[in-house]
Amino acid sequence: QQQVKQSPQSLIVQKGGISIINCAYENTAFDYFPWYQQFPGKGPALLIAIRPDVSEKKEGRFTISFNKSAKQFSLHIMDSQPGDSATYFCAASDTSNTGKLIFGQGTTLQVKP
Amino acid sequence: DARVTQTPRHKVTEMGQEVTMRCQPILGHNTVFWYRQTMMQGLELLAYFRNRAPLDDSGMPKDRFSAEMPDATLATLKIQPSEPRDSAVYFCASGRVGLAGYNEQFFGPGTRLTVL
Repeated sequence: QQQVKQSPQSLIVQKGGISIINCAYENTAFDYFPWYQQFPGKGPALLIAIRPDVSEKKEGRFTISFNKSAKQFSLHIMDSQPGDSATYFCAASDTSNTGKLIFGQGTTLQVKP
Repeated sequence: DARVTQTPRHKVTEMGQEVTMRCQPILGHNTVFWYRQTMMQGLELLAYFRNRAPLDDSGMPKDRFSAEMPDATLATLKIQPSEPRDSAVYFCASGRVGLAGYNEQFFGPGTRLTVL
């Protein structure tokens, strides 16, 4: 019940296309859902995050869509650019408990020029 | 520009040797996390400290791993004895838990450990 399942494992998108990464969770106590971006040789960095009281959050070309009833959330990258090529991790946390993040397995995104 | 720092960045050692990794969290942060990243397992949480007290180390092999925070500016992760299967990138992250429990984590650059 603590798992966060992420798909796909890898994704190739043409420049200008839309990249979509999906995550699903079981624990209904989770109330914080961040996405982290990791470039090779670097640590993950927070990209965007959402709370379950909203269904969508947008920051520039990055949008999180959240479906509480389905226990799913997804990251959409609009107008994908080669500089977006990285590994993306979704995560979930029960902030009333320890607050630790449960990470998905990661998606390696390659945006072709 | 506040950052989490980790030393060493790379470590190559032989099986059976002790390895110590160090982390300096961002000043003012009250939570520290140790993660291990491998291709097979992804990001695994090893240990979690809040206000220097260990909150959760259930992900850490207790027989050979130990994590401590001797003071607010230093967290350490030790492996003794090291084994080839410990080869991975070890990340430290720090954050600040507020009243709502919100906890953005800032990751360091990692220590790439190779055990021969």
